[in-house]
Formats: sequence, structure tokens, C-alpha cells
Amino acid sequence: QSVLTQPPSASGTPGQRVTISCSGGRSNIGSNSLHWYQHLPGTAPKLLIYRNDRRPSGVPDRFSGSKSGTSASLAISGLRSDDETYYYCAAWDDSLSAYLFGTGTKVTVL
Amino acid sequence: QVQLVQSGAEVKKPGASLKVSCQASGYNFTGYYLHWVRQAPGQGLEWMGYINPNRGITKYAQKFQGRVTMTRDTSISTAYMEVSSLTSDDTAIYYCARDLRYYDFDYWGQGTLVTVSS
Repeated sequence: QSVLTQPPSASGTPGQRVTISCSGGRSNIGSNSLHWYQHLPGTAPKLLIYRNDRRPSGVPDRFSGSKSGTSASLAISGLRSDDETYYYCAAWDDSLSAYLFGTGTKVTVL
Repeated sequence: QVQLVQSGAEVKKPGASLKVSCQASGYNFTGYYLHWVRQAPGQGLEWMGYINPNRGITKYAQKFQGRVTMTRDTSISTAYMEVSSLTSDDTAIYYCARDLRYYDFDYWGQGTLVTVSS
């Protein structure tokens, strides 16, 4: 079971800004890099943000990440219909010696 | 370009074993750890473990200890994951993913659907 907690859902209208939180602890977010994945079920997940706030090439700057202490957040600005999918935070946990995915957030574009 | 190509879908009976392959191309296979992740129907992403293709060193999630074996064949740039004693709870899509450096998975295989059913 994951110890990275995300809200199950988030929503917004096209053009709005949506923020997704990821709450963890000292042994995971507090000690290691936090990453974000975008995942349409049945397809390969996509690395969206890595090492807290870096964007891989090809990821629009509408997506941004931040981390503070044992929490992190993903912001999507200028929300588009194709942003409607699932988002997962992830980090290594030193205590569990395991990689943890967050509980996942489904973003809906209204 | 970097590619991870996985083996095809499988249907297995409970109690059987499964072996999924992940063939890498477009980069130095031994230079990056490979992880395995699965997603069961209606569930989130679940990490299973990783292999260091250079030394063959593995690390498994506690949940899968004793039931999962990850190996590699560097001569063909391919990683394998074997899961034994399958149950219906193992029905899932299994993915391999390349670790860029800090457990940031930058390339993923296309996924292998495994169905466990009697």
C-alpha cells in the first residue's frame, strides 16, 4: 500500500489551473526526489516532472512541479481536454527500501 | 531512439508461472537500471522491483519477494521478469521502465497484459 497520498480527483474548465497535491513523509518525499507521471490506463505512463521540478523535453511548460518538506504538488495551467487522465506522484522510500507511487488523481476537464 | 519492447499478452492458469521480456534498443542497456511496474484492473501503479543490467543485481518489493525473479541477457539487451504461483490477483498490465538515474522512469515499454484465469 502506498504512503504517498493524493486526492482521488481534481477538475477544472478549459484554460483553468488545476493543482494536485502529494503528501508523504520524511523517508520518501522528505529525503528523495519526487516525480510525476501522467497515465492513460492501458497505455505506457509518461514521465511528466522529474526530480521535483524538471520537465523532460517535449513536456509543455503548462506543467510544473514543486516540493516542500514532505509534500509536493503538480500544477497544470491552461487546462486542455487532453489533460483529462490520471496523474501519479512517485518517490523512493528509504525506510521501506521501495519505490512508491501515489494513490493517483484523476483529472477531469469539465 | 530509445525503445523498450515487451513480449505479448498472455493468459495463464492459477498456479502457473509467467515470464515477460523487455527488449531495449537505442541506448547502452547496461548503463541504466530497469524497473517493473504493474497496474491491476481499477487499481493504481504498483512497483515490483528493479534489476541492474550491468551486474544483474536485483531489488524486489517486499510483497513479491520469493515469487518474482528478474534477470537479463546483455547479449540481446533484454530483461526478463518471472512471476510464479500466479493467482487472479496477478491479472494486470505489466510494464518495464528505464531508470534515468534517480528513480525517474523516462522510457516505458508498451505494457504486457496478463490474464490469470481458470
